Amino acid sequence: QVQLQESGPGLVKPSQTLSLTCTVSGGSISRGAFYWTWIRQLPGKGLEWIGYIYNSGNSYYNPSLKSRITMSLDTSKNQFSLRLNSVTAADTAVYYCARDYGSGLGSFDYWGQGTLVTVSS
Amino acid sequence: DIQMAQSPSSLSASAGDRVTITCRASQNIGTFLNWYQQKPGKAPKLLIYTTSSLQSGVPSRFSGSGSGTDFTLTISGLQLEDFATYFCQQSYRPPYIFGQGTKLDIK
Repeated sequence: QVQLQESGPGLVKPSQTLSLTCTVSGGSISRGAFYWTWIRQLPGKGLEWIGYIYNSGNSYYNPSLKSRITMSLDTSKNQFSLRLNSVTAADTAVYYCARDYGSGLGSFDYWGQGTLVTVSS
Repeated sequence: DIQMAQSPSSLSASAGDRVTITCRASQNIGTFLNWYQQKPGKAPKLLIYTTSSLQSGVPSRFSGSGSGTDFTLTISGLQLEDFATYFCQQSYRPPYIFGQGTKLDIK
């Protein structure tokens, strides 16, 4: 059974960098055709797809956030990470990591429990 | 971006009812439409992918249909555990956009 778990600071100051890591268990992130994905949910609102990284290291980011995002893989630790620069209060959200099943389906079959990140001084 | 309009935004029903939630895409997405269920404080759970394929472990009272721009999620014979928020999501082309959600509560 695949499990994902987000970790990182729950509080980030405005203009600083939000950094989160997702640890995957029950399967190797370097195997298969999966896209390792970040999604966020703004308070009381809907879901926003942030982007994904593939096991080759290729990535695709939401154009609305692209200038501020970096995603990376650490296959030795079976982890993938998100960095979001120059954060503002508008980036306060629950951040989820998820597995995109791939094969062109674009559906998210496994999710982490989510981690709340608050941007505040 | 392909936008998704979901309706209604909220819905009240009783256990045993049959309910339908709709999702409309701003352009043709074929059958690249997925449905999720989310309960408070929890991550979304994949229910249906590519319009009508039931994710493993999801009860058969959930069904999906549609193609092109118009899609529906139907729950036949509501159970108490089905009261939650439902989201559609297009997977035709990134950025993958979710609908705004339908909150289903008990009448």
